[in-house]
Amino acid sequence: AQTVTQSQPEMSVQEAETVTLSCTYDTSESNYYLFWYKQPPSRQMILVIRQEAYKQQNATENRFSVNFQKAAKSFSLKISDSQLGDTAMYFCAFMKLNAGNMLTFGGGTRLMVKP
Amino acid sequence: ETGVTQTPRHLVMGMTNKKSLKCEQHLGHNAMYWYKQSAKKPLELMFVYNFKEQTENNSVPSRFSPECPNSSHLFLHLHTLQPEDSALYLCASSQGINQPQHFGDGTRLSIL
Repeated sequence: AQTVTQSQPEMSVQEAETVTLSCTYDTSESNYYLFWYKQPPSRQMILVIRQEAYKQQNATENRFSVNFQKAAKSFSLKISDSQLGDTAMYFCAFMKLNAGNMLTFGGGTRLMVKP
Repeated sequence: ETGVTQTPRHLVMGMTNKKSLKCEQHLGHNAMYWYKQSAKKPLELMFVYNFKEQTENNSVPSRFSPECPNSSHLFLHLHTLQPEDSALYLCASSQGINQPQHFGDGTRLSIL
């Protein structure tokens, strides 16, 4: 079974600064996907970024980028130029390929962006 | 417009009541999911439907009964729930396997 660990329950950052959220996972699989989801107070889970394990290049989406270290089973999210709207819960998630689309989520990190 | 719509947004019910949660996706996806989000616990996958067929039941108690009449609609029928079932229930959909899941806003369920 896969496990996903987010070791930072809460973090804060000043507006316009950069913050990195940590995620580690445990799996024996070699092919899988990793995701970061954002859940603002409105409750909707929003996909932030996706990484395929077979790709060595780190995924980037505008101000969001990941540092994927496959050997270390680490998948951190970097948010650059933080904005007030980035305040939310952030969840790291793992999905094994061709296995019923089952997502395994971490416990989440609550990020507060301060003005 | 989120693409995945859940109703009701909030639900309060007694342990002996029977109610249903509804999810509708407007994205043309083939797969739909129910998740449970409890306080201080990671999201838990409950059920997966692919092309209307249930492909996963993650050891969910029988007091939760899913129904998927077509690829766009998913229901979660509730009966004789327990206080520990109070949680946010999230519905999601995806185009198929290995594709990102899109979530609704959830139904906040409180069991009295």
